[in-house]
Amino acid sequence: GAVVSQHPSRVICKSGTSVKIECRSLDFQATTMFWYRQFPKQSLMLMATSNEGSKATYEQGVEKDKFLINHASLTLSTLTVTSAHPEDSSFYICSAATSGTSVYNEQFFGPGTRLTVL
Amino acid sequence: EDQVTQSPEALRLQEGESSSLNCSYTVSGLRGLFWYRQDPGKGPEFLFTLYSAGEEKEKERLKATLTKKESFLHITAPKPEDSATYLCAVQEGGSEKLVFGKGTKLTVNP
Repeated sequence: GAVVSQHPSRVICKSGTSVKIECRSLDFQATTMFWYRQFPKQSLMLMATSNEGSKATYEQGVEKDKFLINHASLTLSTLTVTSAHPEDSSFYICSAATSGTSVYNEQFFGPGTRLTVL
Repeated sequence: EDQVTQSPEALRLQEGESSSLNCSYTVSGLRGLFWYRQDPGKGPEFLFTLYSAGEEKEKERLKATLTKKESFLHITAPKPEDSATYLCAVQEGGSEKLVFGKGTKLTVNP
């Protein structure tokens, strides 16, 4: 099956610093990647959708200048949390999708990145 | 108003005790309904996609069904390793976005 990786799996940083999270599709080309945030005992909330080579589309209420998304290739998307604050602490999960597989519309999820801002 | 509602929030079963999880949705023009399994501290693992009312899919001890208003995930003779949070998500027509429910946390005791 399709595999999506994320790096790092855990990160602890000081308030005010920036953190970059990578999402890679390992065995397929992802035309679209999605970034989600999940707070404890809550559902996954979509933050933004990114298509390779174009600007990301952010969901309402998500600050695009704070959460920078780059989708430079068909196998890599990055999420940078700029000037992180404790309220940004959460579990960040990416997913990747392609219309070129036999399973149309299926999103494959990465293992997630636990961000803790002190 | 939530577009996707899952019930119950938590379910405890004894090994071998079959049951069902519910996912009700209110989106118009359903493009697809997805079931995922999520273990603690991990990303969701894909289980099923259902596209039209009446459709059913099976995988080992799991069976997913779909009507025009809801989906059920039936678990037959569960084992402790089936313990996880089961997430339901819907996709509206014309969109690739998934809208998730809050999940059902299933615990299967040996």
